[in-house]
Amino acid sequence: NAGVTQTPKFQVLKTGQSMTLQCAQDMNHEYMSWYRQDPGMGLRLIHYSVGAGITDQGEVPNGYNVSRSTTEDFPLRLLSAAPSQTSVYFCASSLNRVTEAFFGQGTRLTVV
Amino acid sequence: GQQLNQSPQSMFIQEGEDVSMNCTSSSIFNTWLWYKQDPGEGPVLLIALYKAGELTSNGRLTAQFGITRKDSFLNISASIPSDVGIYFCAGQGGTSYGKLTFGQGTILTVHP
Repeated sequence: NAGVTQTPKFQVLKTGQSMTLQCAQDMNHEYMSWYRQDPGMGLRLIHYSVGAGITDQGEVPNGYNVSRSTTEDFPLRLLSAAPSQTSVYFCASSLNRVTEAFFGQGTRLTVV
Repeated sequence: GQQLNQSPQSMFIQEGEDVSMNCTSSSIFNTWLWYKQDPGEGPVLLIALYKAGELTSNGRLTAQFGITRKDSFLNISASIPSDVGIYFCAGQGGTSYGKLTFGQGTILTVHP
């Protein structure tokens, strides 16, 4: 039972490069979301999705794009990486809005 | 937006001691969740609370959903070295559709 799987685990980018962080869940969960974690700030919501084809912005969406073409996958795209996007990124999924979210193991991204 | 204040920011305790941490919010939440994060891992759910006034236990952990729906606490009894980690509270509001607002975290250190 894989749960929520994130790839890659580590990534170093140069300023201006683009990349996609992958997230997949095998629990048939409706809700998926992306958070970033920075020291002393807890986790902050970037984007979320309430189902295939539906996405919305969270607290810190600037610089990130998402799409949800299938229930299982919710990739996060950085179009032009900036040093301020250096962070640990977590993907989460939940069955519906009143149930708890399950998290992946995270992607540690460094932008130089 | 919604904000959670979690305290204390860090705790240094001896093995066997009890621990208490809490979260307060300026907004009402319908669900309170408590997570633990080990180094290099994603947050793992400890306890979920769904009703105001609810008191729930999970082994040595006890958490309560405040009657005002604006606060929650987590107690850990008889701490052991493996309790070390970062503990996060998270709240989910009535219209947040799976979005979580996180506290800043409590870093727990347990000395043998």
